[in-house]
Parts: sequence; structure tokens; C-alpha cells
Amino acid sequence: SQTIHQWPATLVQPVGSPLSLECTVEGTSNPNLYWYRQAAGRGLQLLFYSVGIGQISSEVPQNLSASRPQDRQFILSSKKLLLSDSGFYLCAWSVLQRGKDSGNTIYFGEGSWLTVV
Amino acid sequence: KQEVTQIPAALSVPEGENLVLNCSFTDSAIYNLQWFRQDPGKGLTSLLLIQSSQREQTSGRLNASLDKSSGRSTLYIAASQPGDSATYLCAVSSTPLPGYTGGGNKLTFGTGTQLKVEL
Repeated sequence: SQTIHQWPATLVQPVGSPLSLECTVEGTSNPNLYWYRQAAGRGLQLLFYSVGIGQISSEVPQNLSASRPQDRQFILSSKKLLLSDSGFYLCAWSVLQRGKDSGNTIYFGEGSWLTVV
Repeated sequence: KQEVTQIPAALSVPEGENLVLNCSFTDSAIYNLQWFRQDPGKGLTSLLLIQSSQREQTSGRLNASLDKSSGRSTLYIAASQPGDSATYLCAVSSTPLPGYTGGGNKLTFGTGTQLKVEL
């Protein structure tokens, strides 16, 4: 069965410090990978998605970046955190088939709580 | 730009009651709509996925309907239980991923309905 792991679960970082959140998926190959952020009182916002190794698309301009060094690994990074980067970060995966005009179920990790102080 | 709204924002019901959660979206050109459950401080669990060509999906006590032309979906929960207490989120896929004919899972989420089922 497929599983998704995301870590760390919680972290408190000072303003200006770097960030690295990691996500790995097991039990599937060539997944589509996503990073979402959920800020307090707001809906989830898609930050990045990747359809393959080294292929990253950014949805919103921001202080964050993403990388996909391996097929089932997705990393969210920042060189210098801002207070506004605080939130709940969720990694997710899904599988798409070319030629199909609809998506498949998306599966989320347990999330990472980031507090920038 | 797609916008998703969920009403009500919060709902409290006694155990055993049947209830309906509402979701509306502004752009009817969607690929699919999904309902999720989120427990406090946790990730999201997918409940039901309705493709754009479908009208409804059922799983156990849950039934989700989709009226794409009017931009609406409802999640019906039968015989609610305290364990159903959570935030319920709907999300629509309406933006295609490059290289694919469909929207995949670039989802636009509503802000959710916080449900509390009381004993």
C-alpha cells in the first residue's frame, strides 16, 4: 500500500533562518507531488507541484522553493524565513494517467506546523 | 479565478441527526470535486471524489452530489456520530497540469465547515 511521510511534524524557527521540510512517498512510482500551505483561518493554498524529477512549478510568488531530487522525494525550502511563512504545510501525492481528462484521489501527509518567531 | 465557498462555517448537531454540508464554486468548468476530512492539527483524508461527468458518489454513511452547471456540491452525512466531528473541506480541480488533458489535482479549496456532533 502507498504511504506518505512528512517531517518534521513541528518546528519553531527564528526569522531569517533556513527551512527544509521533507516528504517521501512509498508504494508508488512517478507520482505527482504537491506542497500546500494552510494559514490560520484560510483555506489550503497550492504552493508547488511536480510531475517528475526536477520538474517544479510554482503557483504563487513567495519566499519558498521546492525541489524533487528523487522520484518520490519532495523538499520545501527557504533560505531566510519570514514571519508570514508561519503555517501548516502539507505534502500530497496523486497519480495521473495521460489522456484521461479527470484527476485521481489526492493523498495528504500529516502536515508540518511551522512557527516563525 | 476559481473560488470555493462552504456554508455553514461551523455546525453543531446532536448525535443521530442527518446533515448536509454545502459547497459552491464560481467556475463550472471543473474536472472533479473532492471532499476531505481534517481532524485538528492533522492532515487531510479524502472522503469522496466526484468526476465532472458524475452526479454523485457514496461511501458508507456519506453521499456527495455534484451539480456542475449550478456550481454546487453537497455532502450528506447520515446518522451522525461523535466520531464524525472534524472539519470538512471541499476542493475543485479546474486548472490543467501541463502535458495532461485534464486538471489532475491542482485543487482550489474552500475554507471548510467545522462539524461537531454532540452526545
